Amino acid sequence: GAVVSQHPSWVICKSGTSVKIECRSLDFQATTMFWYRQFPKQSLMLMATSNEGSKATYEQGVEKDKFLINHASLTLSTLTVTSAHPEDSSFYICSALGALEGRTFGSGTRLTVV
Amino acid sequence: AQKVTQAQTEISVVEKEDVTLDCVYETRDTTYYLFWYKQPPSGELVFLIRRNSFDEQNEISGRYSWNFQKSTSSFNFTITASQVVDSAVYFCALKGGSQGNLIFGKGTKLSVKP
Repeated sequence: GAVVSQHPSWVICKSGTSVKIECRSLDFQATTMFWYRQFPKQSLMLMATSNEGSKATYEQGVEKDKFLINHASLTLSTLTVTSAHPEDSSFYICSALGALEGRTFGSGTRLTVV
Repeated sequence: AQKVTQAQTEISVVEKEDVTLDCVYETRDTTYYLFWYKQPPSGELVFLIRRNSFDEQNEISGRYSWNFQKSTSSFNFTITASQVVDSAVYFCALKGGSQGNLIFGKGTKLSVKP
């Protein structure tokens, strides 16, 4: 079946630094990728939707300058958390939508900012 | 507006008991899709089922079964003869026909004790 690879699985970074999270569709082309954020014991909240080759659409309340999303190819989308702060610590998960494959989720990235 | 409500925050059962996880949804779309996902402690989302709004047939897959009732806007999930490995957070999700986004419920944490 369709596989989405998300890296890294976990990352610890210092406050003020930037972290890049990659999401790759391994055996299909993803026209659309979704980025979600999940705080402990809470649901997944959509942060942004990105279509290949165009700017991402951010949900209300999500700072686009802080959470940079790039979807440069049909198999790769990246989320960069810029100038990370402890309150950005969370579980980030991507989801790729293929024409035939439907929606597939990555395995998530646990970000801890110290 | 679209909304998914999982009223049960946590459920604890003893192994071999049957357990039903409730999901109630709201949407104005006539075409929509309902999903259930399992999120074990490791964090990844495991797809369990997708049901479209035109198919009200109940489905059974091994120990899992789903009851879709449009009249009550519910899509409940039953695990028969629960096992410890079923312990996880289960999310119900809704996708409107006109949108690509998945709206998640808040999840139900299921603990199955030996």
